[in-house]
Amino acid sequence: GQSLEQPSEVTAVEGAIVQINCTYQTSGFYGLSWYQQHDGGAPTFLSYNALDGLEETGRFSSFLSRSDSYGYLLLQELQMKDSASYFCAVMNTGFQKLVFGTGTRLLVSP
Amino acid sequence: ETGVTQTPRHLVMGMTNKKSLKCEQHLGHNAMYWYKQSAKKPLELMFVYSLEERVENNSVPSRFSPECPNSSHLFLHLHTLQPEDSALYLCASSHNRASGNTIYFGEGSWLTVV
Repeated sequence: GQSLEQPSEVTAVEGAIVQINCTYQTSGFYGLSWYQQHDGGAPTFLSYNALDGLEETGRFSSFLSRSDSYGYLLLQELQMKDSASYFCAVMNTGFQKLVFGTGTRLLVSP
Repeated sequence: ETGVTQTPRHLVMGMTNKKSLKCEQHLGHNAMYWYKQSAKKPLELMFVYSLEERVENNSVPSRFSPECPNSSHLFLHLHTLQPEDSALYLCASSHNRASGNTIYFGEGSWLTVV
């Protein structure tokens, strides 16, 4: 089976840096993705890591360690608009489908 | 605007009703998906269509019936639902199945079964 674990909630202040961790168990692995979802909105794609290391896209970075079955999303220079839920997701090679974690709710305060 | 449009945005139906959810994607993608999102649960994959062929049925009860008439449109037909089926139903698409790590979601249809 497959499972992903991430913290349910994280709080931070504007301008800070926050890291959202994700550990996964999956039979077959084809990459770790991150999605952002604002309340009432659609999940939107943020980043994808197929190989170990850090991928940077503006204020957001994502890291993967396949040997540890672990990844994280790093958000820098936090803004109020970053308050949202963040989901990690694993692509399974066998079924070629995306399995999501339960999501981390990020609350950014002034 | 994600390029994936879902209607209706909100639906209330009785357990004996028949209704349908509609999804249309304007991205030229070949794969489409239905996901269910319930409170405090992970997004659950329901169905996958690739080039209009159903390639994944994730143990979904038969009271949910998908239809994909062409690569741009996807329906979810609903009948004799249960109150526990109340959830946000999300449609998504990707360029193809192999690029399914990068999928584009619609804003969802909020379904309440009474």
